Order: sequence, then structure tokens, then C-alpha cells
Amino acid sequence: EIVLTQSPGTLSLSPGERATLSCRASQSVSSSYLAWYQQKPGQAPRLLIYGASSRATGIPDRFSGSGSGTDFTLTISRLEPEDFAVYYCQQYGSSPRVTFGQGTRLEIK
Amino acid sequence: QVQLVQSGAEVKKPGASVKVSCKVSGYTLTELSMHWVRQAPGKGLEWMGGFDPEDGETIYAQKFQGRVTMTEDTSTDTAYMELSSLRSEDTAVYYCATGTRKYSSSWYYWGQGTLVTVSS
Repeated sequence: EIVLTQSPGTLSLSPGERATLSCRASQSVSSSYLAWYQQKPGQAPRLLIYGASSRATGIPDRFSGSGSGTDFTLTISRLEPEDFAVYYCQQYGSSPRVTFGQGTRLEIK
Repeated sequence: QVQLVQSGAEVKKPGASVKVSCKVSGYTLTELSMHWVRQAPGKGLEWMGGFDPEDGETIYAQKFQGRVTMTEDTSTDTAYMELSSLRSEDTAVYYCATGTRKYSSSWYYWGQGTLVTVSS
């Protein structure tokens, strides 16, 4: 079973700073099947990155994804006030077909 | 542009069943692979199951095997998720989600969520 572990659990930063979020898989994940989502309170998740590094439609270019194998990273180059939210990584592939990381909370410092 | 509109909030007693619907517009259900994800209060996202286009069948997370049934009515483009033998731990917001094409491995479109509360 593939387990995704996100770190840190909570990240405290100020607007304008750079955020680096990590997602580590217990087994190798195909880059084609690694995605990142943003979720704000009371809202459904929003797809940010698919295929490890491709931005979804309408996502600002300050969001970028990278990584391969078991280590993946979501980077937000310059934080805007609206970026403070919870972020989840997700893999689609081996059993179980889909798993999510436990999430990283990005909070204003 | 796909829109997913879910049915309204439900309150159920332990042991009962709940059936949540997800109406698709903008595409037909046959063009998409629908999945269901839930989120308990203050917790993370949990995949429950969905349509696997490679196998051509609906697959379920092991945790929900035997208790969940996901169906589709292609005549109305509505997907359903039924969860039985409800317990308090099933209190959560339930989402339907799908991608931009049948073989999408990530989900661009999400329903608004349906809160299911299980309480005696």
C-alpha cells in the first residue's frame, strides 16, 4: 500500500515569502499520477498541479511542482494572502488506487 | 465545462444508510470517471472509490468494501454513492470529483460537498 507523507504538518510564513511543501511516498509513484490540491475552509479542494509538474487551468505561475520517484515538492514562489490554506498531495496508481497525503497547513506568520 | 451538483445535507441514525447524488452537466457521465472522496470534520481527504476506466468497473477502497455502492444513471447523468451501516465515524462531508477526461488521474471538477451527520 502506498502511503504519502507530507511535511511539514504546518508551515508558518509571511506574504511574499517562498513556500516549499514536501510529499514523500512509501513506494515509487509515477510522476504522471502525482497531483497537488489546495483547500480553503468550507470549500471543495482545488486542483493545482497534475502529472507532478503541470499547472491546472487557471493556476497562477507562482505555483510549481517538481519531483519524481518517491519525493515530490510543491513550491509557491511568492506567497499571496489567498494562498494560505491546506495543501494535499494525491497519487493515482497502485493499490489502493488513490491515496492522499495527510495535508500541510500553510498559515500566516 | 463540467458542473457537479450534489444533493443536500442528511442526518441519519446509526445503522441506517445514506444515498448521495451528484448531477453532472456540461459533459455526459459516460465521458467521465466519477470518484467519491470524504472529509471528516477537521480531518484530511479520504478516497472512497470510483470508476476505473482501465478495468471498466467501479473500484472501492478496502476500508469501505461491503458497505459502499457507487452507481450511475446515464439517462440523467447522475452518479450516486450509497453508504450503509452508518456509524458516528461516518459523519463527514462527501464529495464527488472527476477529471477533464475519462482517463484523468487527477480531479479538476468537484461537487460542492454533502454533509452527512450520523447521530442518535
